[in-house]
Amino acid sequence: EAGVTQFPSHSVIEKGQTVTLRCDPISGHDNLYWYRRVMGKEIKFLLHFVKESKQDESGMPNNRFLAERTGGTYSTLKVQPAELEDSGVYFCASSHTSGGIVETQYFGPGTRLLVL
Amino acid sequence: GNSVTQMEGPVTLSEEAFLTINCTYTATGYPSLFWYVQYPGEGLQLLLKATKADDKGSNKGFEATYRKETTSFHLEKGSVQVSDSAVYFCALRAYTGGFKTIFGAGTRLFVKA
Repeated sequence: EAGVTQFPSHSVIEKGQTVTLRCDPISGHDNLYWYRRVMGKEIKFLLHFVKESKQDESGMPNNRFLAERTGGTYSTLKVQPAELEDSGVYFCASSHTSGGIVETQYFGPGTRLLVL
Repeated sequence: GNSVTQMEGPVTLSEEAFLTINCTYTATGYPSLFWYVQYPGEGLQLLLKATKADDKGSNKGFEATYRKETTSFHLEKGSVQVSDSAVYFCALRAYTGGFKTIFGAGTRLFVKA
């Protein structure tokens, strides 16, 4: 079974540019999450999709970040315009809901974003 | 709110030494607790988990016991190997309108041959 995949693995952009990160969850997983780890600090929650709906977006830092999950499959996270403090590792995770219970989250390898 | 505190690193050990990485948590309700590991150049992997008090999670020689009375979930391994060098994250998940995972800051472990 394929795991969670993320693209690109690395991205280096200049301040003010736009970057779009993609996450493909494990097939059949309704729940998709975005997290990020900035400057070696703790990994922080950004948002949670259930299928194509945003269940919780309380962790989105500001309106420069836009997440979508059209069709309830893969998701994109766009940063526009990027700022220096957006540098970090962006992780995606997915999980299955069974009998009303949300199961273990499986994480992707992350996208390392560097804003210069 | 919910939070996780784990010991700061880096932790440097010699091969075959005993490892303990402390983790304590604050949470309302009954969280599930996790240890994730990130090996160099790789993504986060679930190492072990425990879903209720007194449960012991174990995997690859690592163990952690869910202690509700001390709100702790310390990670232990009796004999570390060079290949265990990685960053270890303690985490919890509790329903707070959603099921987001709350992570600690991570502890980097170096194991010397």
